Order: sequence, then C-alpha cells, then structure tokens
Amino acid sequence: QVQLQESGPGLVKPSETLSLTCAVSGGLMRSHYWSWIRQSPGKGLEWIGYIHDSGSTNSNPSLKSRVSMSVDASKNQFSLNLSSVTAADTAVYYCAGGFYGSIFIVGYWGQGIPVTVSS
Amino acid sequence: DIQMTQSPSSLSASVGDRVTITCQASQDIDNYLNWYQHKPGKAPKLLIYHASNLETGVPSRFSGSGSGTHFTFTITNLQPEDIATYYCQQFDSLPPLSTFGPGTIVEI
Repeated sequence: QVQLQESGPGLVKPSETLSLTCAVSGGLMRSHYWSWIRQSPGKGLEWIGYIHDSGSTNSNPSLKSRVSMSVDASKNQFSLNLSSVTAADTAVYYCAGGFYGSIFIVGYWGQGIPVTVSS
Repeated sequence: DIQMTQSPSSLSASVGDRVTITCQASQDIDNYLNWYQHKPGKAPKLLIYHASNLETGVPSRFSGSGSGTHFTFTITNLQPEDIATYYCQQFDSLPPLSTFGPGTIVEI
C-alpha cells in the first residue's frame, strides 16, 4: 500500500521560496508520475505540476515561472520549490501520484500540509 | 485554457436519494475527465476515471457518464458517509495540463 507524506515549513515569508518534500513509502517510485496539488482557503483544487522519475516535468502555466520540482528515487521522495511566494500561495499542499501510468488519474494522495505565507 | 463548470455548487438531499452533478468543459475533452470525493481534513479520493470507469473499491452507487463537453456524476441511494465536496477534473496530454472544476458540496 503506497503512502505519501508531505513535510516542510508551515509558515513562509512573502517573497521567499516555499520548499516541500513528499516521502513515498510502501512501493517504488519508478514508472509513476508524481504531482503537487493545492487548495487555497475557500477555494477548489489546483494542479501545480508533475514530475516523472525520469526527470520530465511540467507545471501549471499560471505558476510555471515560479515552480521547480525534483525527484530522488533512491530516497523515495520528490520535492517542490515555489519561489517568490505571496499571500495568494497560502494553501493546503498535497503530494499525489498517478494510477494506470497516467499523470492525472490521481490515486495516491498525501494527507496535505497547510502552508501560510505571512511575515 | 479549458474551463470547467460544475452545477450545482451545492445541494442538500436525503439518505436514499439519487444525486446528480454535472460538469461542463469549455471545449471537447473526449473522456479525459475524473471525479473525486473530498472530505474536510482528508485527502481527496479518486472515484471515477475516464468519465465512467469506477475505481477499484469504490461503491457501485457512484457512477459517471458523458464525453465531449458534458459529463454527469451520480450517487444513487445517498448515504451519510457521502457528505463531501465532489470535484470533476479534466486533463489533456498535449500539453499535459489539468484543471479541476469548482466543486459541488453535497449535504444531507
């Protein structure tokens, strides 16, 4: 049973970089696409981006210039960096994984980590 | 960009009712649409993928249909544990992008 767990700071100052890591347990990371998804207060879900263990990535055009992702399959983890954050980036951030070889059929989810952007 | 609309934004129903949620895409997305259940404080859960395929382990009272721009998600025989927000999600491969609908809150 694959399980995902996000970790990182719960508070980030405006203009700084939000850095989160997702630990994957109970299975190998290979041959899966791994994504970050967030939910801002009172709003719906927003797909941030994905990374494959091959290193290929893509992200939401609205965030693309600020998003970088990496994967370390040897440690069974992948990471998100979101630069130049503002209050609008306050959200619960989920790491997630795709089923059936798909990027977007998201069957694996972490519990979510709340992140607040505030000075 | 493909925009997704969902209706209704919220609904109240009784145990045993049949509940229907619709999702409309701003352009043809074939069957590249999934449905998720999201309960407060929990991770979202995949229910339906590719418009009509029931994910393993999901009760058969959940179903989905549609293709192109119009999609329907149905809960037959609504149960108390079905209280949640339900999201549709469209996805594309070229380029690989995804957008969630705004969600439908289901209350009893």
